[in-house]
Amino acid sequence: QQPVQSPQAVILREGEDAVINCSSSKALYSVHWYRQKHGEAPVFLMILLKGGEQKGHDKISASFNEKKQQSSLYLTASQLSYSGTYFCGTEVGTASKLTFGTGTRLQVTL
Amino acid sequence: DTGVSQNPRHKITKRGQNVTFRCDPISEHNRLYWYRQTLGQGPEFLTYFQNEAQLEKSRLLSDRFSAERPKGSFSTLEIQRTEQGDSAMYLCASSPRQGNIQYFGAGTRLSVL
Repeated sequence: QQPVQSPQAVILREGEDAVINCSSSKALYSVHWYRQKHGEAPVFLMILLKGGEQKGHDKISASFNEKKQQSSLYLTASQLSYSGTYFCGTEVGTASKLTFGTGTRLQVTL
Repeated sequence: DTGVSQNPRHKITKRGQNVTFRCDPISEHNRLYWYRQTLGQGPEFLTYFQNEAQLEKSRLLSDRFSAERPKGSFSTLEIQRTEQGDSAMYLCASSPRQGNIQYFGAGTRLSVL
């Protein structure tokens, strides 16, 4: 079953923050986050393994709540380059397929 | 690393024709995945290989679809007797032996007329 992402779309002014959520009905081994710009390949952002760890680099971070099977992606001080569609991909076992959510379209404006 | 390479980037075909796509993974990545993505949707899993062994197929992969990875390096995805519903972006990803970060290629966009 496909993970549910929220919100479906968000518009930000440059410098504002955003949170994107991903929820699964299955017990997860890991959550992967990708950003895809129109007509381009999905680009890997980060992976979170079960254990509830939080990761981040630069102004993008993420958390994984294993009890709730939820992950959140945090974008702080957004930049124009953050625009795109964000997908979470969930994995129920090691080295297996990813099941992607429906995506969150993010637009950052001046 | 040169990244995951997919060819062709675009393919236009007539309904009923057969098409074949190629994916060259990142060097020494032993796992290779095929996904299909339609407009406004996330990628949907089709199949994956560990070395030359095909380990899993999605139900999306009807008997018209077949994939190979004969020497554990590049892979091909063939669609026989294409239908208009096959129009989509076909994405390939590869991952290394350790961990499962999947790196995607730019995809092959198929249009079936």
